[in-house]
Amino acid sequence: ETGVTQTPRHLVMGMTNKKSLKCEQHLGHNAMYWYKQSAKKPLELMFVYSLEERVENNSVPSRFSPECPNSSHLFLHLHTLQPEDSALYLCASSLENGGAEFFGPGTRLTVL
Amino acid sequence: SQKIEQNSEALNIQEGKTATLTCNYTNYSPAYLQWYRQDPGRGPVFLLLIRENEKEKRKERLKVTFDTTLKQSLFHITASQPADSATYLCALTPSYGSSNTGKLIFGQGTTLQVKP
Repeated sequence: ETGVTQTPRHLVMGMTNKKSLKCEQHLGHNAMYWYKQSAKKPLELMFVYSLEERVENNSVPSRFSPECPNSSHLFLHLHTLQPEDSALYLCASSLENGGAEFFGPGTRLTVL
Repeated sequence: SQKIEQNSEALNIQEGKTATLTCNYTNYSPAYLQWYRQDPGRGPVFLLLIRENEKEKRKERLKVTFDTTLKQSLFHITASQPADSATYLCALTPSYGSSNTGKLIFGQGTTLQVKP
């Protein structure tokens, strides 16, 4: 175990649903990240939070909305997703922005 | 354009041999470079980090080299075992002053298969 947990591990949702992904780290890290991993493509950075402030938004569609209430928790709120948003969504944390990252197990998302 | 390239073809080797994986990059000035292991359906696991002023780093059976002139990192697993079979990801952090400061940029990964 890496010390980073994600729930749920699997999620199936319709295009009109609203759901949230949760990430929690108990490593005392200051930075947290959301990544998207699609088949045959490199990991894509979506959002970065450093000291609870968003420092990166990689032109992610507004149907993905992150929230970082404190340094240990990170959420990704999902609304009116498209089938092409189906992927593995990974949360990670690091002691410092740009350092070694510790990943959670991911949420396998399927949008019908 | 900026690119990180890893061999997309799977690497198949015999148990006990040394596996060597390559990571090439263009139009980046990495502050450091990292290697991760990823098993199917799971998150990547951090293995090694090497800084721009370091040539080589070792950890048990793993060795990473970093050549900023060639813009290349090599990842070696000595005395490979079937349990080493996984996808290995290369990632770099651009130097400060870049628009990508603090971001970890990943290659697409190379799948290693170690046969008994």
